[in-house]
This record gives sequence, C-alpha cells and structure tokens, in this order.
Amino acid sequence: DAGVIQSPRHEVTEMGQEVTLRCKPISGHDYLFWYRQTMMRGLELLIYFNNNVPIDDSGMPEDRFSAKMPNASFSTLKIQPSEPRDSAVYFCASSKLAVTDTQYFGPGTRLTVL
Amino acid sequence: DQQVKQNSPSLSVQEGRISILNCDYTNSMFDYFLWYKKYPAEGPTFLISISSIKDKNEDGRFTVFLNKSAKHLSLHIVPSQPGDSAVYFCAASVGSARQLTFGSGTQLTVLP
Repeated sequence: DAGVIQSPRHEVTEMGQEVTLRCKPISGHDYLFWYRQTMMRGLELLIYFNNNVPIDDSGMPEDRFSAKMPNASFSTLKIQPSEPRDSAVYFCASSKLAVTDTQYFGPGTRLTVL
Repeated sequence: DQQVKQNSPSLSVQEGRISILNCDYTNSMFDYFLWYKKYPAEGPTFLISISSIKDKNEDGRFTVFLNKSAKHLSLHIVPSQPGDSAVYFCAASVGSARQLTFGSGTQLTVLP
C-alpha cells in the first residue's frame, strides 16, 4: 500500500493567494483527518471526515479555511486568502474505523506564506 | 488552553540508557492515550497506546505508564538507540470520539 499521499510537499506563496492542499487517504479507510503543526501549538486537529462527511470542523481557525472530501479517495484543504501566520506543516491522516485504530499520517505539506 | 502538555521540548540521552518522556493532561474524560514518533520530513507514526483501564503497556523496548490520579503518562525507551532520535508526541482521546488531542512534542536525541 502506498500510504497516505499528500501534495504538494512544499508550497511557497504570497500573502493573499489561494492555496490548495491535497490528500489521498489509504484505500478502505473510513476516517480522514487534517492537522496543522506549528512550533507554538504543536499538532492541532483542524477537521475530520467520516465516510466523506465532515464530522467536526471546530479546529478550523477561521473562515479562510475550508476542506472538502468529494469522494473516498480524495480530500482538499483550501486557504483563501492565505496569510503569513498560516505558514506551517499540514498533515493529512486516515484511519480505518475509529480513533482507537492507528491513524496513518502522510508526509505533510510545508506551507510558507510570504 | 492545552489539554495535553509535554513540558520538555527536548531531551538528550546516552545510547543504551533509559529515555523517559513525560506527558500531562487536564481533561479527566480522556480514556485512551497514544504516543507517536516523528522523523524530520515525515509524518508521525504510531508507536504505542494505552487504555485508561490499564496502567502499563509494553511493546519491546517501549513501555507506556499511565497514572490516572496524577493525569500523567510517560514513555520509557530501554535501551535507547540512536535511531530513536525523533520528536515524540503524546495524544489523548475521549471515548468514542474520533479526534485526538496532541501535545506539542518532545525532541529526543540519543547520543552514540
């Protein structure tokens, strides 16, 4: 299995631009999670999906952030407009049944907003 | 307000010795705890977990201890190896909820 795939691995953009991060979960996994890692706050859960349906988006910092999961094999996290404080590493993870099942993380997308 | 705290951002240990990584939590509803390990430029990988009905879980060189009264858990690595050098995150969850709450991580460096 290829594991969780994220693209791009690195993204550098200018303030005000739209940024789209992509994730392909492991086939057969029912849950998909988006996390953000920063030095100050560590790993924060932004949103998670169960069977393509958003379950909890309380971690999304503000309306500039949106996430979609149009099908079981693809999810996007969009930031519009981007700001320098959005600079972080964004991870996607998936798990099969529940949080008590192991979450498998992708390699992350390092976002830099200038 | 962080519900899961790792107060030591870094720890250095000599190869062959014991590494002890600590984690404190404030939410008494947490009943499942996990440790993840993260190498640079990679995503975190699951290491070991423990349910609140236990106070110890062991897997090879890795042992997690849970002290519910103190709301404290620790990860012991014995013996430590240079390949264990990584960032270690503790995480916690509540019952059937799906979300994990992570700590900020501890960078472990095992010196040869």
